[in-house]
Amino acid sequence: SAVISQKPSRDICQRGTSLTIQCQVDSQVTMMFWYRQQPGQSLTLIATANQGSEATYESGFVIDKFPISRPNLTFSTLTVSNMSPEDSSIYLCSVRWVLGEQFFGPGTRLTVL
Amino acid sequence: AQTVTQSQPEMSVQEAETVTLSCTYDTSESDYYLFWYKQPPSRQMILVIRQEAYKQQNATENRFSVNFQKAAKSFSLKISDSQLGDAAMYFCAYRSAGNNDMRFGAGTRLTVKP
Repeated sequence: SAVISQKPSRDICQRGTSLTIQCQVDSQVTMMFWYRQQPGQSLTLIATANQGSEATYESGFVIDKFPISRPNLTFSTLTVSNMSPEDSSIYLCSVRWVLGEQFFGPGTRLTVL
Repeated sequence: AQTVTQSQPEMSVQEAETVTLSCTYDTSESDYYLFWYKQPPSRQMILVIRQEAYKQQNATENRFSVNFQKAAKSFSLKISDSQLGDAAMYFCAYRSAGNNDMRFGAGTRLTVKP
């Protein structure tokens, strides 16, 4: 399995500000993803982070709101822009191995006041 | 679109007993993967077990096993000899072989009573 770390583990932010979440993996992986888990809810895929090109966003998520970077095969960032209280969620980074197993980071708990 | 349904929002089991968590899914695909993830209060998502649709044999991982019924589109998780550390939210997930998106069920909160 992969060791995935996320920074920060939690944050409390003011509305209108932006927060960048970092995801670091201990080995090179082709597939990296960002998920959102709203309070008491299941996980929803935000986007696939593509190395060296623009991320692929799922329906309902746009690059202006959730810009993603993937400079190499072990690192990605997700920015939550112009935050509102509705953005309060856990944001999880995830990686998938070639054989299909998918692992998740510890998550970043975001609270927007 | 594929959907994953977990009809049990909450389940409870006595320590050392066995419990089964239900999951059904809807798909027209023939090649896909199914997963069970555990999310304890620490919120770390932990892969419990995985099943490839083309495999007829049910996957097992120590005390965890699945009952995969492909025709019925059912994928239940059995936890044997339940331990206090098994208490968590359990999510069933589906992913088509040719798709990036992993679809999750709503989750089942498992409580283990000492």
